[in-house]
This record gives sequence, C-alpha cells and structure tokens, in this order.
Amino acid sequence: NAGVTQTPKFQVLKTGQSMTLQCAQDMNHNSMYWYRQDPGMGLRLIYYSASEGTTDKGEVPNGYNVSRLNKREFSLRLESAAPSQTSVYFCASSSRTGAIYSNQPQHFGDGTRLSIL
Amino acid sequence: KNEVEQSPQNLTAQEGEFITINCSYSVGISALHWLQQHPGGGIVSLFMLSSGKKKHGRLIATINIQEKHSSLHITASHPRDSAVYICAAAGSGGTSYGKLTFGQGTILTVHP
Repeated sequence: NAGVTQTPKFQVLKTGQSMTLQCAQDMNHNSMYWYRQDPGMGLRLIYYSASEGTTDKGEVPNGYNVSRLNKREFSLRLESAAPSQTSVYFCASSSRTGAIYSNQPQHFGDGTRLSIL
Repeated sequence: KNEVEQSPQNLTAQEGEFITINCSYSVGISALHWLQQHPGGGIVSLFMLSSGKKKHGRLIATINIQEKHSSLHITASHPRDSAVYICAAAGSGGTSYGKLTFGQGTILTVHP
C-alpha cells in the first residue's frame, strides 16, 4: 500500500543545474499538489493539478515548472536551481468532488530534501 | 489571504499529561485540517473538520467557527506522540475554496 511515492529522497545540486522531482500516487486521486517546507514558514503551495492534463500556479511558483504526466504522476522541475530553492519538497494528493479544491484529506509523500550550493 | 497562527510553537510534556494545541485563523474557512509530521519527516492527516468536534483514539479536535479558532487535544500523552502538529485552513470562496494555508507547526516533545 504505497500511497504517495516521491523520488529522490535527497539531492544536492549546484547553482544553475536542473532536475526533476518525481511523484506518483496509487490511490486514483484526481488532485495532486507540490509544496515546499522551509523553517519558520510552514508549508507553501508551489503548483497543483486538479486533474490529468491541468496544472495551475500556487503561492510560490517562480522558478518551477510542473507536468501532470497522467493521473498517477505529477513531476516538479527546477530548470536552473538557485540557493533560495533549498528546501524540503512534499507532493500530496487528494480525491476531488466537483470544486478544484474539495475538502478531502490530503495524502503526503515522505518528502525530498533538496540542497542547492 | 488567510493568516494561520498556532500556539504554542514548542511544547514539552510528561507522559500521561493532557495536551492542547491551539490554532487561530483570520478569515472564513470551508474546513480546518490537523496534520502530524513525524521526526522522520512524513506528514499524516489527522482530522478535517468544519464544525463541532471529532475524536480518534486519544486525539480530539474541536473548532469554533464564530471565534475562528480550533484546538487539538491529546489525552494521556505518550512519547510516541512526539511530533510536529500542523493546522491548515481551507479557503471558502471562489478560487480559494479548499486551498490550504498552513500554520508554522507546534513541536511537541513528550518525555517518559
């Protein structure tokens, strides 16, 4: 019963490098989210996807791109990494009824700890 | 933009104590979520409520919509309850409906 799986768990990059964080869920959820968690800031929404084929910006989208490859997978790409993007990244998913965001519990992955030097 | 404040930021307790964590928010919401983040980093949803009270084992969550306030209670606390507890307010209108704004979290440490 995997739930939400994120890869990699840890990554160190140099400034200017690019990378893609992968996320997959096996719960047949429509909605998927990418958050970043920084000390003293709480979780902040980067991008979300209400359904396959749709994505939209959250609170802090600058420097990131996303792709909803299919219903299961939602990837986050850093095209040119910057030290300010050092953070812990969480992917989450939830079922959805009607509204883009429905009030359903969100299921989180274990996070990706990303350091950019 | 909804502002979500939690108190206390840090909480230390002895095993068996009754614990209360508070969450206040600034604007109307459609629901209030309580989450638990373990020392290893994983985040688990504990409760989602829009009125009244919910109970699961030793955990109880309450919400007062008029006062824009929610509490998470842990009865007979245990060292395994040590974690970060996060509240998140779900927006209530238009494109904000259901969108979560998170508090900064309360770090709970329960000593044997």
